[in-house]
Amino acid sequence: EDQVTQSPEALRLQEGESSSLNCSYTVSGLRGLFWYRQDPGKGPEFLFTLYSAGEEKEKERLKATLTKKESFLHITAPKPEDSATYLCARSRGGSEKLVFGKGTKLTVNP
Amino acid sequence: EPEVTQTPSHQVTQMGQEVILRCVPISNHLYFYWYRQILGQKVEFLVSFYNNEISEKSEIFDDQFSVERPDGSNFTLKIRSTKLEDSAMYFCASSSDSNQPQHFGDGTRLSIL
Repeated sequence: EDQVTQSPEALRLQEGESSSLNCSYTVSGLRGLFWYRQDPGKGPEFLFTLYSAGEEKEKERLKATLTKKESFLHITAPKPEDSATYLCARSRGGSEKLVFGKGTKLTVNP
Repeated sequence: EPEVTQTPSHQVTQMGQEVILRCVPISNHLYFYWYRQILGQKVEFLVSFYNNEISEKSEIFDDQFSVERPDGSNFTLKIRSTKLEDSAMYFCASSSDSNQPQHFGDGTRLSIL
């Protein structure tokens, strides 16, 4: 069965305290690994797509990396406005559907 | 920046009634999707739609559900006879290509009484 598992479920950081979120997937034929940000009461907001192991993407304080079994979202010197739930999703060849993980709820305290 | 818009933001319906959720995808996008998120659970795929037909659907998307693109801009999800367990947040998404990222609307909260 296709699985996407995210850890930790929740993470509290102090402003400026860097950390990483993990997303592991158990499916062959990965076509893309996606990271989204979701604020309360809103839809997922697209952040990054990664297609192959070794690939990295960066945007402001966020950097996403991909290996053959997992992806990491690194948050450098986070600010309170980075507080949100971060969702990981994957797609596989021959299918358009995204399979999501449960997300990591990040809280950054000032 | 172009965005996916969904209406209404909140829909309250009696069990057994029909409901139609509406979406306006990003204008140059060709692939359309519906997902749902039950409170506290994962975002789940329902259906994808391309070239005026369903291209993929999940086991959740049974005969009670249907989708339609009635004109050049709207994309709708109809639930024929709602059940209590249909209560969820329903998200519409669109993409320019099947390999491109899907962009989501802010959802319709559906509450079945």
